[in-house]
Amino acid sequence: AQSVTQLGSHVSVSEGALVLLRCNYSSSVPPYLFWYVQYPNQGLQLLLKYTTGATLVKGINGFEAEFKKSETSFHLTKPSAHMSDAAEYFCAVSLTGTASKLTFGTGTRLQVTL
Amino acid sequence: DSGVTQTPKHLITATGQRVTLRCSPRSGDLSVYWYQQSLDQGLQFLIQYYNGEERAKGNILERFSAQQFPDLHSELNLSSLELGDSALYFCASSIGQGEGYEQYFGPGTRLTVT
Repeated sequence: AQSVTQLGSHVSVSEGALVLLRCNYSSSVPPYLFWYVQYPNQGLQLLLKYTTGATLVKGINGFEAEFKKSETSFHLTKPSAHMSDAAEYFCAVSLTGTASKLTFGTGTRLQVTL
Repeated sequence: DSGVTQTPKHLITATGQRVTLRCSPRSGDLSVYWYQQSLDQGLQFLIQYYNGEERAKGNILERFSAQQFPDLHSELNLSSLELGDSALYFCASSIGQGEGYEQYFGPGTRLTVT
């Protein structure tokens, strides 16, 4: 069975600092990986996705993530945090043969301080 | 704005009642997914439809049912409601039915069962 683990339910960074949100997955087959962001009282917005090809994926709002098969990881980074990045971030996985259902991690709430 | 619409935005009802949540996918999308987000269970996949046919089922209770109509809108019916059914229900849509397709989420319907 597939699963997604997000380390750290809360992460706090200073404005301008590096953002690193961790995601590890377990799967016996190559996964499709996604990062979504959820702002308060809103739906989920897709930040980026990895399907095949280049392992470094660039998304919206300056975020990027790197697929590392050997580490079964797909960590999300942003070089410089902005106050507007404060939100909840979800890593999700979809596997071949699962009809594209997404399995989500438990989420990481990002706080950005001055 | 993802282009996915959900109604109503909020719903308050009593235990034992039945409610219907409605979703209109993005123009051109044939797949509709339903997810439940609650504090104790996190984000969970419920069910997927593609062009009117059920494609995948997740952790959906027998008291819950869904369908996708010829105009591609979908409805999620929740019956014999219990306090534990209180949650945010999201609809998402994608153009295809397979893995790797981006899913676009609606703003959600917040259901409160009293």
